[in-house]
Amino acid sequence: AQKVTQAQTEISVVEKEDVTLDCVYETRDTTYYLFWYKQPPSGELVFLIRRNSFDEQNEISGRYSWNFQKSTSSFNFTITASQVVDSAVYFCALSGSYAGGTSYGKLTFGQGTILTVHP
Amino acid sequence: DGGITQSPKYLFRKEGQNVTLSCEQNLNHDAMYWYRQDPGQGLRLIYYSQIVNDFQKGDIAEGYSVSREKKESFPLTVTSAQKNPTAFYLCASSIRIGSGANVLTFGAGSRLTVL
Repeated sequence: AQKVTQAQTEISVVEKEDVTLDCVYETRDTTYYLFWYKQPPSGELVFLIRRNSFDEQNEISGRYSWNFQKSTSSFNFTITASQVVDSAVYFCALSGSYAGGTSYGKLTFGQGTILTVHP
Repeated sequence: DGGITQSPKYLFRKEGQNVTLSCEQNLNHDAMYWYRQDPGQGLRLIYYSQIVNDFQKGDIAEGYSVSREKKESFPLTVTSAQKNPTAFYLCASSIRIGSGANVLTFGAGSRLTVL
């Protein structure tokens, strides 16, 4: 069975601070995909990033960066110089890529981290 | 613009009533999903469909039913058998259920409250 844990239920920061959202996962699959989604107050989840388990290279996109460490089963997300518009619920998710596995093509989500950025 | 439309956005129901939540997509995606979101529990998969006239139970299918008569539509019925139906329901779609690399596109959700 797959599991995704986001231990931080809520984080509150002041604008321009850097913030890191933690994500730890468990899976028996040897190949898998990891995702981050953002859920603003409107309710619709927005895709942020997808990472293949074979690719441990960290990624940066503007103020966003992701640190994937297979050795610790973690896929953490950092927002640099946070802004009020970053306030949202952030979800980490995991999907198996083995066609014979029960997690094939289906996302398992973490509990989500509520990020509030104050002006 | 392509996307997923869920309706209604808010719905109130009395105990013992069945309700149906609508989900329509114009993305030409083969796969569609229903998730339930509760505070502190993330999203949990209710049902998913890979193709028309086919659907599979997810992790929490009890008390729910779906149909997939058209590629564009995947309605969810919350039956009176669902013991705790008050929640936020999200519909999603993807090109197909494939290697796990498929990115899900989500609708804006339907919030169901049982009075």
